[in-house]
Amino acid sequence: DGGITQSPKYLFRKEGQNVTLSCEQNLNHDAMYWYRQDPGQGLRLIYYSQIVNDFQKGDIAEGYSVSREKKESFPLTVTSAQKNPTAFYLCASSTPQGYQPQHFGDGTRLSIL
Amino acid sequence: GQNIDQPTEMTATEGAIVQINCTYQTSGFNGLFWYQQHAGEAPTFLSYNVLDGLEEKGRFSSFLSRSKGYSYLLLKELQMKDSASYLCAALDSNYQLIWGAGTKLIIKP
Repeated sequence: DGGITQSPKYLFRKEGQNVTLSCEQNLNHDAMYWYRQDPGQGLRLIYYSQIVNDFQKGDIAEGYSVSREKKESFPLTVTSAQKNPTAFYLCASSTPQGYQPQHFGDGTRLSIL
Repeated sequence: GQNIDQPTEMTATEGAIVQINCTYQTSGFNGLFWYQQHAGEAPTFLSYNVLDGLEEKGRFSSFLSRSKGYSYLLLKELQMKDSASYLCAALDSNYQLIWGAGTKLIIKP
C-alpha cells in the first residue's frame, strides 16, 4: 500500500544536539511538506519542496534544515538553534496541484531531555 | 494578514447532528479543506470545496460560501469514533494552505 512513513515515532534531544526526522513516501508525489503542531494549535509550515533538489522556507523555518535529494525522501533536521523544539512533527506529500489533498505520515513526537 | 477562525471546542451527543463553522481571510482563494485528526495521530482528508454550495459525503457534508468567507462541516448521526479535532484549511492565491487551530469535538453517550 502506498503511504508516508515517518521515523522515529518518538525522539528525544539533548541540549546542543542536532536530530534528524525521517520522511519517506511511495505515492510518487512531487510535493512534500514539514509541519510543526503544538498542543491545541493548528499546523505551521516549516519547509516545503515542490521538486527534487529544491525547497522553500515556510513560516517557521528558523532552527530547521531540510534536503530533497530523492523524490521519495524529505528529511528534516532540528538544529541546536531551535530553542523550543518540543512538538509533534508531521510530514505530508501531495501532487503539485495545490487543490489536491495532502497525505500525512503518522508523525514524530520530539521532546527535550 | 491571513487568518482562519474556528471554535476551539464543541460538545455533542451520540446520534445527534453537529455543525462546525470556519471563517477565513486569505490573499486570494483556491478552495477550502476539512481534515479530521484523532489525538496523537495524523490528519486525514475529509473534503475539499472550491465552489459555493453543499457537498455531501455519507454522514459528513461540507458547505462553502465564497462571498462570506465561510464554511461549515456538518456531521450527522454522530458516533463515539467521531470524537476528534477537525481542521479547516484554506488554499491561498499561491496555493499555500492556511490552517486553522482546529475544533476539538467531544461526543457524549
